[in-house]
Amino acid sequence: EAQVTQNPRYLITVTGKKLTVTCSQNMNHEYMSWYRQDPGLGLRQIYYSMNVEVTDKGDVPEGYKVSRKEKRNFPLILESPSPNQTSLYFCASSPYLPQRALYEQYFGPGTRLTVT
Amino acid sequence: AQRVTQPEKLLSVFKGAPVELKCNYSYSGSPELFWYVQYSRQRLQLLLRHISRESIKGFTADLNKGETSFHLKKPFAQEEDSAMYYCALNSGYSTLTFGKGTMLLVSP
Repeated sequence: EAQVTQNPRYLITVTGKKLTVTCSQNMNHEYMSWYRQDPGLGLRQIYYSMNVEVTDKGDVPEGYKVSRKEKRNFPLILESPSPNQTSLYFCASSPYLPQRALYEQYFGPGTRLTVT
Repeated sequence: AQRVTQPEKLLSVFKGAPVELKCNYSYSGSPELFWYVQYSRQRLQLLLRHISRESIKGFTADLNKGETSFHLKKPFAQEEDSAMYYCALNSGYSTLTFGKGTMLLVSP
């Protein structure tokens, strides 16, 4: 089954304790992205990656890191989490097509992170 | 800079009533617009995109470049339409800019 998976689905941690949220897709998509979803703010892009070893900042990259060593994986790293990073995080992937009009993102199930 | 505005946080209607979820955008280029839906406890999924001019689950959306709008419409709402709806703009380099979302509640 074609899908985007995220782990863990739920995480409660303390301020300053490094954590990684994994994201994996099995659709051979070039493009992957991380979003955070907060009430009243909708979805905001954190980082995205056009392909292996190619990453770029989205709208709210502060406090986050990413890496893209393999095409299928795009982990989100919080080196020193803070309470304002408590949020619902979504990973998404997409084929990168010259015809941008065909562009569609496939979303993972979400990771609910609480930082105390 | 690109921007997507969904002016309503919540839209509450009765079953069978018409629905219009508003979306306005600001973008200097040629826009590519989408509607995504998130049902309770589920992941976001694409509902429709303007380029295909399709109707999905009875929903349609027409791009109006003059009014810079991409409103989502359905003539007769169903209870199963209750969900969070996001309008999104493809603003180049495969970056999607989302609106803040509108929660649609359809009551029996």
